Amino acid sequence: DQQVKQNSPSLSVQEGRISILNCDYTNSMFDYFLWYKKYPAEGPTFLISISSIKDKNEDGRFTVFLNKSAKHLSLHIVPSQPGDSAVYFCAARRTGNQFYFGTGTSLTVIP
Amino acid sequence: DAGVIQSPRHEVTEMGQEVTLRCKPISGHDYLFWYRQTMMRGLELLIYFNNNVPIDDSGMPEDRFSAKMPNASFSTLKIQPSEPRDSAVYFCASSSSGMSGFVTYEQYFGPGTRLTVT
Repeated sequence: DQQVKQNSPSLSVQEGRISILNCDYTNSMFDYFLWYKKYPAEGPTFLISISSIKDKNEDGRFTVFLNKSAKHLSLHIVPSQPGDSAVYFCAARRTGNQFYFGTGTSLTVIP
Repeated sequence: DAGVIQSPRHEVTEMGQEVTLRCKPISGHDYLFWYRQTMMRGLELLIYFNNNVPIDDSGMPEDRFSAKMPNASFSTLKIQPSEPRDSAVYFCASSSSGMSGFVTYEQYFGPGTRLTVT
């Protein structure tokens, strides 16, 4: 069973606009959420994270929002740049360092 | 630091053969994770170690899979015998719990090993 779901396999956005990537989870025991970015033929790299006690975390152009009641988080990238084109994975941590990843969303930023 | 190192980068083998994937974590990191990436299931955690000790191997799909970490700088994931459905990209990642103050649970991933079993 997939405890972390990314229901949009792909997303295309115009350069300069906002990209919104979504993630849903089922386990209320998750205490930390992370976003990773992955380029082809490379491993995922950490982007931004948020604790379950917060509802927003910002780092430059990247903001993650957490809605615990809806078990939903989203990653906002603004403004989007062509270099942001990659696959984005949402991940969740459960106590004991168990990590669950989604299937990824492929973002294409069109120049 | 060179980051997490994995070898080989690509492995093509025939069904029934033994496959060994290797990983060198970042020096000083005390956690090591093995993941498998497939289109259908995304990144799945197979097993993780803390201070070279396996903590949770509930993600290991079958007894054909085994992992070891004989020391802090080396880990292996072995598949014996391999099957075509094992074809995937296997990632190793490491992280540190030793940082005081701000915690992100960030993991550092290697470049992965693309395994093809024919």
